[in-house]
Amino acid sequence: GIQVEQSPPDLILQEGANSTLRCNFSDSVNNLQWFHQNPWGQLINLFYIPSGTKQNGRLSATTVATERYSLLYISSSQTTDSGVYFCAVVGSGGSYIPTFGRGTSLIVHP
Amino acid sequence: GAGVSQSPSNKVTEKGKDVELRCDPISGHTALYWYRQRLGQGLEFLIYFQGNSAPDKSGLPSDRFSAERTGESVSTLTIQRTQQEDSAVYLCASSLGAGSYGYTFGSGTRLTVV
Repeated sequence: GIQVEQSPPDLILQEGANSTLRCNFSDSVNNLQWFHQNPWGQLINLFYIPSGTKQNGRLSATTVATERYSLLYISSSQTTDSGVYFCAVVGSGGSYIPTFGRGTSLIVHP
Repeated sequence: GAGVSQSPSNKVTEKGKDVELRCDPISGHTALYWYRQRLGQGLEFLIYFQGNSAPDKSGLPSDRFSAERTGESVSTLTIQRTQQEDSAVYLCASSLGAGSYGYTFGSGTRLTVV
């Protein structure tokens, strides 16, 4: 099945800093989503982005499907951005099951 | 409903007992997924339902685990003879269809087996 690798595994920032999280995948995809899991465990949709670029406030994402990677940008980070960021993909090979990366754990200090 | 609803939010059970977890997907969502997340770990796929098709059970870890879904409505995940290693958060997600649609997660059921 499709492999998903996220980097870095851990990230510690000072409030106000910018960061880039990366998701590499091993095959072509029909579906790619970024999620934020907050400290209470809730998984929140950030972006549905199988290709192209999207922005939502301080967050933006870019997926370059031909090169099999996606980037999540967080600008002017806030303590509420802390949590784990997951990338999940559905490969175009016939399986409809989203495969998750191991996540990037982000801590933003005040 | 407006979101994916899971119940109970927390469940503590004794080792060896059976438990039933419930997921109510977003209305109109034909695809439904169950995942398990152990403490500090990623999401582990369990089972996938798409409309009236046969479910994909390839992620169920043992025959103690089973799930049902009637049509495009509520799903129940049943764990028989619970073991301590079953302790985890069980997450349900739904989407409009298979593959090329975004999906939304519920808040999960935190299961603790003592």
